[in-house]
Amino acid sequence: SQKIEQNSEALNIQEGKTATLTCNYTNYSPAYLQWYRQDPGRGPVFLLLIRENEKEKRKERLKVTFDTTLKQSLFHITASQPADSATYLCALPLTGGFKTIFGAGTRLFVKA
Amino acid sequence: SQTIHQWPATLVQPVGSPLSLECTVEGTSNPNLYWYRQAAGRGLQLLFYSVGIGQISSEVPQNLSASRPQDRQFILSSKKLLLSDSGFYLCAWSVSSGNHNEQFFGPGTRLTVL
Repeated sequence: SQKIEQNSEALNIQEGKTATLTCNYTNYSPAYLQWYRQDPGRGPVFLLLIRENEKEKRKERLKVTFDTTLKQSLFHITASQPADSATYLCALPLTGGFKTIFGAGTRLFVKA
Repeated sequence: SQTIHQWPATLVQPVGSPLSLECTVEGTSNPNLYWYRQAAGRGLQLLFYSVGIGQISSEVPQNLSASRPQDRQFILSSKKLLLSDSGFYLCAWSVSSGNHNEQFFGPGTRLTVL
């Protein structure tokens, strides 16, 4: 069955540095991959989508890469700010498109 | 613009009691609707999804059920709650005709079963 793995350990970085989060998946070749942000006690919010034929996608200070050979996506936040502190989830569509599986997420802490 | 509502925001229920969580979506028609549960520090577990009125697909065998009595209303129910039903319940919707299935989540319901 399809699996998504995200680093369960929290990532602590200093303000201004680049945060890099990893999402690995197995037994699957998704047409696209999504990243969401989740704040404590809130529902996830969609951030970015990257398609299988795209190597890189950018949105403001966010950058996502998608390596279908490695079966891996990297999520970067440049010039990180304390307000970027949250849990970031990667998500993949299942066959048929109606369902999505989510990783457990990586908690990011940005220190001022 | 589209909005999604869930209620209640928090709920404390005794074991064996019934449950009814409601989710409504505004500003869109014929959405795909989803119920997820998130245990503390865990990922999202898909419980049910619906592509139309009265159409419910269950992902995990359990004592929960879902119904979609109206196009933009999705209800999660249980006749008898278990301790293991505690968690954060999230409703979400996506565009039925979209090919990227971006999901929009509600604010969630924190359920504690004692």
